[in-house]
Amino acid sequence: DAKTTQPPSMDCAEGRAANLPCNHSTISGNEYVYWYRQIHSQGPQYIIHGLKNNETNEMASLIITEDRKSSTLILPHATLRDTAVYYCIVRPANSNSGYALNFGKGTSLLVTP
Amino acid sequence: AAGVIQSPRHLIKEKRETATLKCYPIPRHDTVYWYQQGPGQDPQFLISFYEKMQSDKGSIPDRFSAQQFSDYHSELNMSSLELGDSALYFCASSLLGIVYGNTIYFGEGSWLTVV
Repeated sequence: DAKTTQPPSMDCAEGRAANLPCNHSTISGNEYVYWYRQIHSQGPQYIIHGLKNNETNEMASLIITEDRKSSTLILPHATLRDTAVYYCIVRPANSNSGYALNFGKGTSLLVTP
Repeated sequence: AAGVIQSPRHLIKEKRETATLKCYPIPRHDTVYWYQQGPGQDPQFLISFYEKMQSDKGSIPDRFSAQQFSDYHSELNMSSLELGDSALYFCASSLLGIVYGNTIYFGEGSWLTVV
């Protein structure tokens, strides 16, 4: 059963911000929201994760709604190299066992010149 | 920074043969995960190990087995290979015990082609 819902595809012009939405309405209190991306046939690449506060790093920003039922990944200035499948994943942060990432369908982002 | 190392990167086997994939986690990481990604599919979790013990199990076929060794490297053994086992196999690693999540990092994958 899918815990997240993402649009299957999105387009973005190079240099513009890419805003990728994710719905996770059944998220539990101890679950983090993780974002990964996979450039064609390469290993999934970690982007960012958060619990309830907005987060920013050198790659992206993560905006989580106050009720935590949805989030948005923002790539502030998309480049052609950002073309990839983006996965939004919820995952417990319990340190007692290695909870794996369960990949859903993701959003295929195409950045165009 | 050191990443997850997988070997071999490419492997071709015939049906009913056996294949072994190796994974060397990021130094000091104690947990490894194995994923399978078929053509046009999303990565599917197979199995994970923490401190050399199986910690979680996904959709791993009975023909597959894996283990984690004392140096934390892991091997995925696949027997009686079928054409449908042709896929990209990813290994990933993480360090448990970190309070703010335990981010999982992936290797570049091993391509298995069964002919």
